[in-house]
Amino acid sequence: DGGITQSPKYLFRKEGQNVTLSCEQNLNHDAMYWYRQDPGQGLRLIYYSQIVNDFQKGDIAEGYSVSREKKESFPLTVTSAQKNPTAFYLCASTRGGLNQPQHFGDGTRLSIL
Amino acid sequence: AQTVTQSQPEMSVQEAETVTLSCTYDTSESDYYLFWYKQPPSRQMILVIRQEAYKQQNATENRFSVNFQKAAKSFSLKISDSQLGDAAMYFCAYRSAYVSNFGNEKLTFGTGTRLTIIP
Repeated sequence: DGGITQSPKYLFRKEGQNVTLSCEQNLNHDAMYWYRQDPGQGLRLIYYSQIVNDFQKGDIAEGYSVSREKKESFPLTVTSAQKNPTAFYLCASTRGGLNQPQHFGDGTRLSIL
Repeated sequence: AQTVTQSQPEMSVQEAETVTLSCTYDTSESDYYLFWYKQPPSRQMILVIRQEAYKQQNATENRFSVNFQKAAKSFSLKISDSQLGDAAMYFCAYRSAYVSNFGNEKLTFGTGTRLTIIP
């Protein structure tokens, strides 16, 4: 079955350390997204990519970086510049077309040691 | 910028009864898409229903239906015959229908409503 795979499910980061969250999709979707979810808040967009080798900042991009070298993959790096990284991170993808819904992965919970 | 407001942080309903979750949004655009997503304890986001703003007919998916009031910028979700499996966080989301150089495919989410089903 096609879908979006996020790994790991749980991730722990030490202070000052960069960590990378994986997102892979086999849906042949062009666009991919990273969201952050905090308790009591909705999802906030970090970065998105509409095609390979192109990506755009979302609403809360500071302290994060991404790459889109392959259509299937859109990894998110949480850098040491992100001072409050503890959150639940969701990756999503969609086919082209604004009426197409976004499909989500199962998420990664990042915590600081 | 668009905003989405869900004014009910928590709701509860008796099993088999009907419940309505409210959502309002603010936009200056005339064409857009609205979505309801469900997030069960497993944390996966699942699309429940979507509405296209230029369609006057309210969308329906089995026990789920919406009441879309474009002039009032309101998009409520009605769940009929509530089941235990409906217990989840429900998020309302907005997406523009206009494409710019920066892309408008992002979703703007509300803060969610936690729905509890009482057996």
